[in-house]
Amino acid sequence: DAGVIQSPRHEVTEMGQEVTLRCKPISGHDYLFWYRQTMMRGLELLIYFNNNVPIDDSGMPEDRFSAKMPNASFSTLKIQPSEPRDSAVYFCASSSRLGTYNEQFFGPGTRLTVL
Amino acid sequence: EDQVTQSPEALRLQEGESSSLNCSYTVSGLRGLFWYRQDPGKGPEFLFTLYSAGEEKEKERLKATLTKKESFLHITAPKPEDSATYLCAVQARTDKLIFGTGTRLQVFP
Repeated sequence: DAGVIQSPRHEVTEMGQEVTLRCKPISGHDYLFWYRQTMMRGLELLIYFNNNVPIDDSGMPEDRFSAKMPNASFSTLKIQPSEPRDSAVYFCASSSRLGTYNEQFFGPGTRLTVL
Repeated sequence: EDQVTQSPEALRLQEGESSSLNCSYTVSGLRGLFWYRQDPGKGPEFLFTLYSAGEEKEKERLKATLTKKESFLHITAPKPEDSATYLCAVQARTDKLIFGTGTRLQVFP
């Protein structure tokens, strides 16, 4: 299996621009998680989906952030408008209840820099 | 509020010098405690899941243990390739994980 795929790997944008991060989970996994990692706050859960339905978005920092999962093989995290404090590494992870319970497999991450 | 605290923040070891990393937690209704390894520029990689106090799991030079308040990751005779950040996470009543800020381990030859 190719594992969790994220794109782009690096994104540099200017403040105020829209940013879209993409994730393809492992085939057959029914949970998808979006995390943000910074030096100051560590790894924070933003939102997670089960069977394409958002379950908990309490970690989404502001209305500028939105996430969708239109099908089992694709999810997006959008920031509009972006701000310098959004600079971080964003990870997508997936898991399945059929495997080791809630073992999450992480993608390589997208390093976002907002100037 | 569910909380995870890892110590130390950073640890430098000589190759072969065994040590332990600590993860203390406050959570209502622990369903699982997870250890991950993260190399620079990569996503976290799953190591262990522990479900109940007294449980232990081993993988090569690593052994994870769990009590009702904390977990330890013991590293026996570490090698330079064990250098990484080790993350601990807990799962409570929902499907989400709460992560600690990690311990950055450096092993020198």
